[in-house]
Amino acid sequence: DTAVSQTPKYLVTQMGNDKSIKCEQNLGHDTMYWYKQDSKKFLKIMFSYNNKELIINETVPNRFSPKSPDKAHLNLHINSLELGDSAVYFCASSNSRQGYNEQFFGPGTRLTVL
Amino acid sequence: TQLLEQSPQFLSIQEGENLTVYCNSSSVFSSLQWYRQEPGEGPVLLVTVVTGGEVKKLKRLTFQFGDARKDSSLHITAAQPGDTGLYLCAGPVNQAGTALIFGKGTTLSVSS
Repeated sequence: DTAVSQTPKYLVTQMGNDKSIKCEQNLGHDTMYWYKQDSKKFLKIMFSYNNKELIINETVPNRFSPKSPDKAHLNLHINSLELGDSAVYFCASSNSRQGYNEQFFGPGTRLTVL
Repeated sequence: TQLLEQSPQFLSIQEGENLTVYCNSSSVFSSLQWYRQEPGEGPVLLVTVVTGGEVKKLKRLTFQFGDARKDSSLHITAAQPGDTGLYLCAGPVNQAGTALIFGKGTTLSVSS
């Protein structure tokens, strides 16, 4: 059973387009995240949601808008895509009430903007 | 600003060799986590260290948390090709304690 799943796995699109990435977790966790991994493999937090509420919103252009319809889902919508948005985007989840917020990551979505 | 510095950035060794990867910060962390990421996949948690001076072992991997909780190390004994991957250390972001700040990683390649 997949714990954290993301779709699509690969996304190739033109500059200026709008795209969405979906994420679902079946671990019963209360917190979900979006991370961006650049070409040098540096992984950086973008957003954090706890029980569907936005907790962390790092310095991310407002073209990026996360949406959490329920605790098991956190989607990422990106408007007016730019070349610099090309990266691998990882969704993750954790249980904030247990342990040390150890994170379970999805397989990633490789976004290429042409 | 919290930062985690990892060294070395790249490591290429032969099967059977030992190695140590370092994760250092000028900030105190309440805990540190180590992840391994293989190509095309997301990071997978290896261990969490929470007490200064703590040592944890996971088969051939030994993790240590510095006494002052500002640094950690990962030692691999008798490396195997299956140990190949990107090793990342991570700690909680400030007081939020939920999201993680990551080091830039150590890419390990073990050849047979």
